[in-house]
Amino acid sequence: ETGVTQTPRHLVMGMTNKKSLKCEQHLGHNAMYWYKQSAKKPLELMFVYNFKEQTENNSVPSRFSPECPNSSHLFLHLHTLQPEDSALYLCASSQDPGSGTDTQYFGPGTRLTVL
Amino acid sequence: GQNIDQPTEMTATEGAIVQINCTYQTSGFNGLFWYQQHAGEAPTFLSYNVLDGLEEKGRFSSFLSRSKGYSYLLLKELQMKDSASYLCAVRDSNYQLIWGAGTKLIIKP
Repeated sequence: ETGVTQTPRHLVMGMTNKKSLKCEQHLGHNAMYWYKQSAKKPLELMFVYNFKEQTENNSVPSRFSPECPNSSHLFLHLHTLQPEDSALYLCASSQDPGSGTDTQYFGPGTRLTVL
Repeated sequence: GQNIDQPTEMTATEGAIVQINCTYQTSGFNGLFWYQQHAGEAPTFLSYNVLDGLEEKGRFSSFLSRSKGYSYLLLKELQMKDSASYLCAVRDSNYQLIWGAGTKLIIKP
């Protein structure tokens, strides 16, 4: 157990659906991250929140909408997705993103399939 | 641009030793990380190197040469459970993590 949980673990949705991914960290960290992981590609950083404030948005399409109500919870709201958005979505947390030694701890991911 | 290179796939035999290489070109350097990821699971932290040299942690060791932009992960006494993907990541001068695509390690009996 890494202390970071994600639900659901699997999600199949149509292009017109609206769904949300949830992440919770039990490590007392201050920063939370959303990543997209596609087969044989590097992890793509999507969003970063530090002390509930968004500090990074890597040109992510507006059909992905993050929400961070507190330092322990992070959501990714999905609407009108495209088939190319099918991927593993990973959540991570860390103590201090401004530190060189800062280590990110990951959840198990949500496997998303867009039909 | 920033780039991390690692082999796509490697195969090794149970009980043997394997070395997974990682080369990087980044804007600055603030440390290099190795993670292990079993299929369908979370990446888990293995090691962090910021100074040149070898860091040993049980069966796993990680080496760094900053002048060469090079690191390797050494796995000894391979076990079947070591079959996984191994991800290399470098923290750049902006403290962003730049990730490699991962090396899938297949262990054969």
